Amino acid sequence: GESVGLHLPTLSVQEGDNSIINCAYSNSASDYFIWYKQESGKGPQFIIDIRSNMDKRQGQRVTVLLNKTVKHLSLQIAATQPGDSAVYFCAENREGNKLVFGAGTILRVKS
Amino acid sequence: NAGVMQNPRHLVRRRGQEARLRCSPMKGHSHVYWYRQLPEEGLKFMVYLQKENIIDESGMPKERFSAEFPKEGPSILRIQQVVRGDSAAYFCASSPSVFSGTQYFGPGTRLLVL
Repeated sequence: GESVGLHLPTLSVQEGDNSIINCAYSNSASDYFIWYKQESGKGPQFIIDIRSNMDKRQGQRVTVLLNKTVKHLSLQIAATQPGDSAVYFCAENREGNKLVFGAGTILRVKS
Repeated sequence: NAGVMQNPRHLVRRRGQEARLRCSPMKGHSHVYWYRQLPEEGLKFMVYLQKENIIDESGMPKERFSAEFPKEGPSILRIQQVVRGDSAAYFCASSPSVFSGTQYFGPGTRLLVL
C-alpha cells in the first residue's frame, strides 16, 4: 500500500556539521508534509512543515526541501548539536487529517 | 499555554483487564487524534474525533477498542480485555481545526500488558 518511508535508519554526525535526513513518499496526491522530532520517552515534537505548492521552507537551523517530481523530501539541520539527537519522522497528511508516518531515522550527534 | 496532556503516563494491566487512556487537547483545540506506536516503529493512526463525534476510526481494531470525546472532559481511549499485543505507546494529538494539518502531540501513555 501507499506509505511514507525513510532511506537511512541511522545517521551519525559530528557536532557542528550539517545533517540531512531523507524521506520518500508514494502518494502523489499528498499536499502537506510535516517533520517531527521524537526524543526517548517523549511524544513527537513539531519541527517544520511544508505544503506541496512550495519547494523549500526554512526555520531556525532547519530547512525542508520538497521534490514533487521524485516524491522526496528532506530535512536539513545546520550546525547539528547534541540536543538534536533523536528520532526524526516525516509524516504525510492524508485526506481527513490522518497523518501517515515513516519508520523514522535515528540521528546521533558525536561530540 | 499548556500543551496536550495525557494520563496516565505509564499503565500496567494484566491480560483481560481494561485500560483507559485520557487526553486533554491544547486549549482552543477541538480536534483530537489517537496514534499507536510499537517499539522502534513509526506512529500508526487509530482514530480522529471532534467533540461528541467520531470522524474517522479507520485505524481502530474492530473489537475491544473504543474512543470518545465528550462535550465536557478529556478524550478517552478504552481498550477492553487487553492482550499482550496491546502493549505499546499511545499518543494523542490535537489541532485547532480541520483546515490546520499540523497536529501537536502529547507525551504519550506507555501501556504494558503482563
